Amino acid sequence: EAGVTQFPSHSVIEKGQTVTLRCDPISGHDNLYWYRRVMGKEIKFLLHFVKESKQDESGMPNNRFLAERTGGTYSTLKVQPAELEDSGVYFCASSQVGFGRNEKLFFGSGTQLSVL
Amino acid sequence: AQSVTQLGSHVSVSEGALVLLRCNYSSSVPPYLFWYVQYPNQGLQLLLKYTSAATLVKGINGFEAEFKKSETSFHLTKPSAHMSDAAEYFCAVSEGGDDKIIFGKGTRLHILP
Repeated sequence: EAGVTQFPSHSVIEKGQTVTLRCDPISGHDNLYWYRRVMGKEIKFLLHFVKESKQDESGMPNNRFLAERTGGTYSTLKVQPAELEDSGVYFCASSQVGFGRNEKLFFGSGTQLSVL
Repeated sequence: AQSVTQLGSHVSVSEGALVLLRCNYSSSVPPYLFWYVQYPNQGLQLLLKYTSAATLVKGINGFEAEFKKSETSFHLTKPSAHMSDAAEYFCAVSEGGDDKIIFGKGTRLHILP
């Protein structure tokens, strides 16, 4: 069974440009989460999808970030325009419906975003 | 509000020695506690979790952690370190019924030959 897949693994862009990160959850997982880790700091929650609906987006830093999950399958996270402080590792995670307490949360290997 | 504090961003132990990674948490309700590990170029992997059952929790790869409510701690231990244990370890907390996980800053474990 394929795990959570994230693409690209690395992205280097200039300030002001747009970047789109993609996450393919494990097939059949209704819950999809985005997290971010800025260098040297905690991994922080960004948002949570249940199928195609945003369950909780309280961690999204500002309106330059847009997450979508059309059709309830893969998800994208777009940053437009990117700023220097957006650099970090963006993790995606998924779990089956009913495992809301993160007992079976599977993480991708992350996208390393560098904004220059 | 929930929070997690991991003492020591880097810990070095000799191969065969005891591993002890410290974690203290803050939560207004009985918490769920987790330890995750990230090996190089891989995603986060669940090592073990505490969900209000036994206070001593056994995980994968010989790791275990003990929940101590009086000390608000959930330290991770392994009796004998192996070279393959070199990785970054994250302590995390979530409140019952809450899907959000709050992570600590992580501790990078180095194993000395």
